[in-house]
Amino acid sequence: GNSVTQMEGPVTLSEEAFLTINCTYTATGYPSLFWYVQYPGEGLQLLLKATKADDKGSNKGFEATYRKETTSFHLEKGSVQVSDSAVYFCALRISGSARQLTFGSGTQLTVLP
Amino acid sequence: GAVVSQHPSRVICKSGTSVKIECRSLDFQATTMFWYRQFPKQSLMLMATSNEGSKATYEQGVEKDKFLINHASLTLSTLTVTSAHPEDSSFYICSARVSGGRVTEAFFGQGTRLTVV
Repeated sequence: GNSVTQMEGPVTLSEEAFLTINCTYTATGYPSLFWYVQYPGEGLQLLLKATKADDKGSNKGFEATYRKETTSFHLEKGSVQVSDSAVYFCALRISGSARQLTFGSGTQLTVLP
Repeated sequence: GAVVSQHPSRVICKSGTSVKIECRSLDFQATTMFWYRQFPKQSLMLMATSNEGSKATYEQGVEKDKFLINHASLTLSTLTVTSAHPEDSSFYICSARVSGGRVTEAFFGQGTRLTVV
């Protein structure tokens, strides 16, 4: 079956620190990969995505590269801000499928000033 | 992006009572809505897929008589937890997909924290 494993939190960093949140997956088909972010009191929002191997998704300074050889899609940001404090979810969807996303368990990030 | 409003954000109910959670797409029509549940330290798990005007499709292990889903219009889906028990305490979140022929991005509500006492 399909599954997503992501780094357990919570993660606490100081402002301007480097961020990595690990995500690995198993999939029976050819997945598209996603990172969603949930800010306090809000719904999940799509942060970035990649639809095929070696694609790099990027948004708001965050990046993730689709690595088929390591079945990974790690989220990175070079310099985090307090406003980046949120819960981050890694997810996959099998291409061509109308089914919805398979999520990881989420990683709580807190950035301290 | 499109907005999905979920209500209530938090609810506490007594064991044996029923709770209704609403999910509305505010500025778009959603032929398909999805309901997820998340237990502490676990993934968001898909409970059911709801298509407007038809019966919901439930994932394996999800009791359809306990988790009643109604999708009566293109902008509203409801999840009713019937005869709630403490083990139903969880975080429930809906998502709605923009109408269209191909698979498009899904937009999420803010979630509902249900506590059954």
